[in-house]
Amino acid sequence: EAGVAQSPRYKIIEKRQSVAFWCNPISGHATLYWYQQILGQGPKLLIQFQNNGVVDDSQLPKDRFSAERLKGVDSTLKIQPAKLEDSAVYLCASSYRPGTGGLETQYFGPGTRLLVL
Amino acid sequence: GQQVMQIPQYQHVQEGEDFTTYCNSSTTLSNIQWYKQRPGGHPVFLIQLVKSGEVKKQKRLTFQFGEAKKNSSLHITATQTTDVGTYFCAGATTGANNLFFGTGTRLTVIP
Repeated sequence: EAGVAQSPRYKIIEKRQSVAFWCNPISGHATLYWYQQILGQGPKLLIQFQNNGVVDDSQLPKDRFSAERLKGVDSTLKIQPAKLEDSAVYLCASSYRPGTGGLETQYFGPGTRLLVL
Repeated sequence: GQQVMQIPQYQHVQEGEDFTTYCNSSTTLSNIQWYKQRPGGHPVFLIQLVKSGEVKKQKRLTFQFGEAKKNSSLHITATQTTDVGTYFCAGATTGANNLFFGTGTRLTVIP
């Protein structure tokens, strides 16, 4: 089974530039998450999608961050304009709810490492 | 807001020694998950605990969920160099699908 795919793996930009990240979740996973992980910290949820609808975006800095999952599969996360403090690893994860009533397990992609200069 | 703290932040052990990391939530959790992140890697799911007082084992790893469902621990017996990484707990509250990740414990195993 293929895992969660993300691209690019690394990105270096200057502050005030724009950047976009792409995520392809595991096939059949209805829920998709974007996390920001700053060096030395745990992942922080930015946004959660259920199919193509937003479930939780309470911690997304909406003045500069945006995300979409138009067809309920792939997703993109955009930062415009980037700030120095946006330097972090951006992780995408996906999950599904088993038909047996079990709880959802999140499967993480390799992440995109962003450096803002 | 909800906070999940872990202690210690760092732990260095000699290979063969035991290791324990503790996770404490400011709110009652519906379930708690544990993840391992190798240096330069991404979090990988280890286990999920749901019931109050639950204990689960995976080979040398023992996971516990507190009676009040606000704390948890991960214990590794006889550490090996392959155990190196950062261990995160992540808690969910009732009715919520999203996880709050702890601050993590970074384990270094000295051969």
